[in-house]
Amino acid sequence: GAVVSQHPSRVICKSGTSVKIECRSLDFQATTMFWYRQFPKQSLMLMATSNEGSKATYEQGVEKDKFLINHASLTLSTLTVTSAHPEDSSFYICSAALLAGGLSTDTQYFGPGTRLTVL
Amino acid sequence: AQSVSQHNHHVILSEAASLELGCNYSYGGTVNLFWYVQYPGQHLQLLLKYFSGDPLVKGIKGFEAEFIKSKFSFNLRKPSVQWSDTAEYFCAVNARIGGYNKLIFGAGTRLAVHP
Repeated sequence: GAVVSQHPSRVICKSGTSVKIECRSLDFQATTMFWYRQFPKQSLMLMATSNEGSKATYEQGVEKDKFLINHASLTLSTLTVTSAHPEDSSFYICSAALLAGGLSTDTQYFGPGTRLTVL
Repeated sequence: AQSVSQHNHHVILSEAASLELGCNYSYGGTVNLFWYVQYPGQHLQLLLKYFSGDPLVKGIKGFEAEFIKSKFSFNLRKPSVQWSDTAEYFCAVNARIGGYNKLIFGAGTRLAVHP
């Protein structure tokens, strides 16, 4: 149980184009999904918190107009990297929170990640 | 600022050796604590978690961790490692910051187990 998928797993695009990454919770409903970025040999950095039916909450330093997040349903959140540039190349990981009775007890389950390369 | 520190960046062990990975966090409020593992080429998987109750929690694959509140620590242990435990291990703290629950990760510890 608690499986999270991401699509695509790998994408290469030209500078200036936009890329959409999908995150799905396959066997549970997640009111909250999270988007992270992982640089090589580094830890995960939270980019934004996405709540179903409302606007995402972005971390300090993350451009909300560049990283558009949509959480249209309880099983799907999308991250769109707009006008991508080489410095946006990274590993993007989503997670979905499985609520266990209260805000203080949720557990995040992670997707396999999407490797974005911007040429 | 809230942070999670993992003291060992790289650990090399022989099979059957005992493992302890340190994790300390800085946050004064109520926290939930996690250890995640990332095997080579795979995604993050939950090893174990602590919400409340018995501070010694047991996870999958023979791992356990002990929450010591006075030391702000949540160290991961395994009595006898196997080659298949080679992976990167992340300690994480779920804390309510700015009205939202956030998962803050440590930098990770890369474990290599030699047969």
